[in-house]
Amino acid sequence: GQNIDQPTEMTATEGAIVQINCTYQTSGFNGLFWYQQHAGEAPTFLSYNVLDGLEEKGRFSSFLSRSKGYSYLLLKELQMKDSASYLCAVRDGNYQLIWGAGTKLIIKP
Amino acid sequence: ETGVTQTPRHLVMGMTNKKSLKCEQHLGHNAMYWYKQSAKKPLELMFVYSLEERVENNSVPSRFSPECPNSSHLFLHLHTLQPEDSALYLCASSLSGGTSGANVLTFGAGSRLTVL
Repeated sequence: GQNIDQPTEMTATEGAIVQINCTYQTSGFNGLFWYQQHAGEAPTFLSYNVLDGLEEKGRFSSFLSRSKGYSYLLLKELQMKDSASYLCAVRDGNYQLIWGAGTKLIIKP
Repeated sequence: ETGVTQTPRHLVMGMTNKKSLKCEQHLGHNAMYWYKQSAKKPLELMFVYSLEERVENNSVPSRFSPECPNSSHLFLHLHTLQPEDSALYLCASSLSGGTSGANVLTFGAGSRLTVL
């Protein structure tokens, strides 16, 4: 079966750095997405990786290793507003999106 | 403003009621989706419409009935639901059915459904 694994919950301190990992086992691969979802709000697109390596967008970076079936989302200079759930999703060989259950990130002052 | 608007935001219904969820997008997208989001579970894809034709129906019980009258509107008709159907129902849209480039989904804020 196809599977996406990510930690259920993480806690970090304001101003610090946090890395949210995502591992996947899918039938084929056509890209990996990260979405952010604040409580009671719509998930919003953060990043897309289809080739190995690091993609940087301001305070957020996303890394992909296709050979390891592994990605991470790196958040720097954490702010209280970064408290949210972070969803990892992989587009498989049939272009179907497979979703992880999300990582709830709690930022403490 | 996410570009995808869902109404109502909250809905409480009994098991014998009939209600509908509405989704509207004015982003020029040609694919629309219904997802079910339950606590601590992955998003479950329910239905996909591409160019107003249903292209995917993921073994969803018949008590859920989608309707896509045009490329900007999507409905989910609900009838004789069960308590386990209580969840957040998310609508999303995209530029295509999923095979080109990043095909980023734009989500609505969801309709929180409680079935008593």
